[in-house]
Amino acid sequence: KAGVTQTPRYLIKTRGQQVTLSCSPISGHRSVSWYQQTPGQGLQFLFEYFSETQRNKGNFPGRFSGRQFSNSRSEMNVSTLELGDSALYLCASSPLTSQETQYFGPGTRLLVL
Amino acid sequence: GEDVEQSLFLSVREGDSSVINCTYTDSSSTYLYWYKQEPGAGLQLLTYIFSNMDMKQDQRLTVLLNKKDKHLSLRIADTQTGDSAIYFCAERRTSGTYKYIFGTGTRLKVLA
Repeated sequence: KAGVTQTPRYLIKTRGQQVTLSCSPISGHRSVSWYQQTPGQGLQFLFEYFSETQRNKGNFPGRFSGRQFSNSRSEMNVSTLELGDSALYLCASSPLTSQETQYFGPGTRLLVL
Repeated sequence: GEDVEQSLFLSVREGDSSVINCTYTDSSSTYLYWYKQEPGAGLQLLTYIFSNMDMKQDQRLTVLLNKKDKHLSLRIADTQTGDSAIYFCAERRTSGTYKYIFGTGTRLKVLA
């Protein structure tokens, strides 16, 4: 089975812009979770989607949003980018709900200038 | 508190054993995980342990769980240079709002 894929792998944006990141889960997995990884804050949970519905949400401002499509692919969007949004954004998929083991993609590295 | 704690750095010689420690916070956590992250890559699941177990062995990896002290460790036998990476422990909580909590990560450096 192919693993979790994320596109793009690298992205450079400027403050105030918005960005959309994409994640394709492992085939057959229905749950997708997103994490932000920074040197200062470590790995922080953003949100989890299951069957096109957001099931859980971390403590991030409303500028961070996401969605899931009927084929389980997910996108996350960050509007009005700030310098502090520079991070590695990781997507993880699991078979039924994120109660089960998560498998991570390679991440999208976002740099905000 | 919310934090899952790990020591930041560990340095070992090739061929020695490495032991990476983790202290978690929620006694009701049912699953505990170890992930490995190599530079520029995502997290690779290494192994996990159910909370009703106290040990799990998988080839060169041994996980020990002390529920009373909320302490988890990962032992890597015969450590190789390819084991150099950051290792994260994570707990899957069931109390309150469900979520995974990751540790701060331990950077393992294996010296040839």
